[in-house]
Amino acid sequence: QQKVQQSPESLSVPEGGMASLNCTSSDRNFQYFWWYRQHSGEGPKALMSIFSDGDKKEGRFTAHLNKASLHVSLHIRDSQPSDSALYFCAATLLSGSFNKLTFGAGTRLAVCP
Amino acid sequence: DPKIIQKPKYLVAVTGSEKILICEQYLGHNAMYWYRQSAKKPLEFMFSYSYQKLMDNQTASSRFQPQSSKKNHLDLQITALKPDDSATYFCASSQQGGNTGQLYFGEGSKLTVL
Repeated sequence: QQKVQQSPESLSVPEGGMASLNCTSSDRNFQYFWWYRQHSGEGPKALMSIFSDGDKKEGRFTAHLNKASLHVSLHIRDSQPSDSALYFCAATLLSGSFNKLTFGAGTRLAVCP
Repeated sequence: DPKIIQKPKYLVAVTGSEKILICEQYLGHNAMYWYRQSAKKPLEFMFSYSYQKLMDNQTASSRFQPQSSKKNHLDLQITALKPDDSATYFCASSQQGGNTGQLYFGEGSKLTVL
């Protein structure tokens, strides 16, 4: 079983709509989470990180972390066609792992005009 | 302009041969990494380097050998290639080590082993 699981595998939302992506860790040692986005033919790019309980907002993107359940979500409001990409959740330890991220399998988001 | 340059972008190799993947970063970062993305597995960590020193190795096989000739270079030599090595290999860097530094990825080198 993968230590970082993402759902859904794919998601389609209309332009201007809200996209919600989920991620759960099965390893309680993972305390720091990242969301990365990968457009076709490119490398992953970091969107935002979160390690405190609650919400963190950056522009149209809001991440939510529930440390008790090790559940992280990413919400994208006012989705744009340029948001169409593969989104990864990644987790790591708070210390001692030198940026060794464990990635989920990803959620493919399609934003339809 | 891309700040992390990976070469070649695509390569095809025959089973048993050897290839070197090149990575140079111009972000002024001190830490560099290799990650691998294949059809069968999520993006997975392979190596981390800091100031040209190996910090962590998550690759079980000695066929994968990172090489750092300069602080901003981290090449990956793969010997005795197998079809299972087919994947896109991403080089990444970060300004600092630790766990919470943001990673910057290159565009990848897609390797196909026949």
